[in-house]
Amino acid sequence: GAVVSQHPSRVICKSGTSVKIECRSLDFQATTMFWYRQFPKQSLMLMATSNEGSKATYEQGVEKDKFLINHASLTLSTLTVTSAHPEDSSFYICSAPQDGQETQYFGPGTRLLVL
Amino acid sequence: AQSVTQPDIHITVSEGASLELRCNYSYGATPYLFWYVQSPGQGLQLLLKYFSGDTLVQGIKGFEAEFKRSQSSFNLRKPSVHWSDAAEYFCAVGAGYGNKLVFGAGTILRVKS
Repeated sequence: GAVVSQHPSRVICKSGTSVKIECRSLDFQATTMFWYRQFPKQSLMLMATSNEGSKATYEQGVEKDKFLINHASLTLSTLTVTSAHPEDSSFYICSAPQDGQETQYFGPGTRLLVL
Repeated sequence: AQSVTQPDIHITVSEGASLELRCNYSYGATPYLFWYVQSPGQGLQLLLKYFSGDTLVQGIKGFEAEFKRSQSSFNLRKPSVHWSDAAEYFCAVGAGYGNKLVFGAGTILRVKS
């Protein structure tokens, strides 16, 4: 089946720094990717929809200047958490539907800890 | 707007017993429905999906789910639970091809021996 990877799997950073998380579709093209955030013992909340070649679409309440999304190619989307703060600590998961297909494939997630 | 309700936060079953995890959705049109499983610290693995056709769908690991339009439900079942099934299960609804998913709150399954 289709595989989505994320890098890094874990990252620890200091408050005020920026962190970039990559999401790659390894064996298929994805013009759209989704970024979710999951707090401990909670469900996944959609943050934004990443669109190849155009601006991302953010969900209500998500700061676009804080969570920068770039969909550089048909297989890569990046999420940059700018000026990270401890409250940004979370599990970030991306997903990608294979073009023309209904099923979304999820990455393994990135655990971010901001000290 | 789409929404998903998983009324059971935790469920504990004995190994070998049957399992049913409940999921109710709210969506104006024919929904695309999914069940995912997540082990601690891991991403999500697709168990099964329903788009159209036969309302009883078979998935991986011996799971099945039944779509009941009249009840707006898509409950997940397994006839005999294994200890390795202990995980968190998420029901999700989507609007169609390549659309974003809305997730339920999840149900944590514990399996006792």
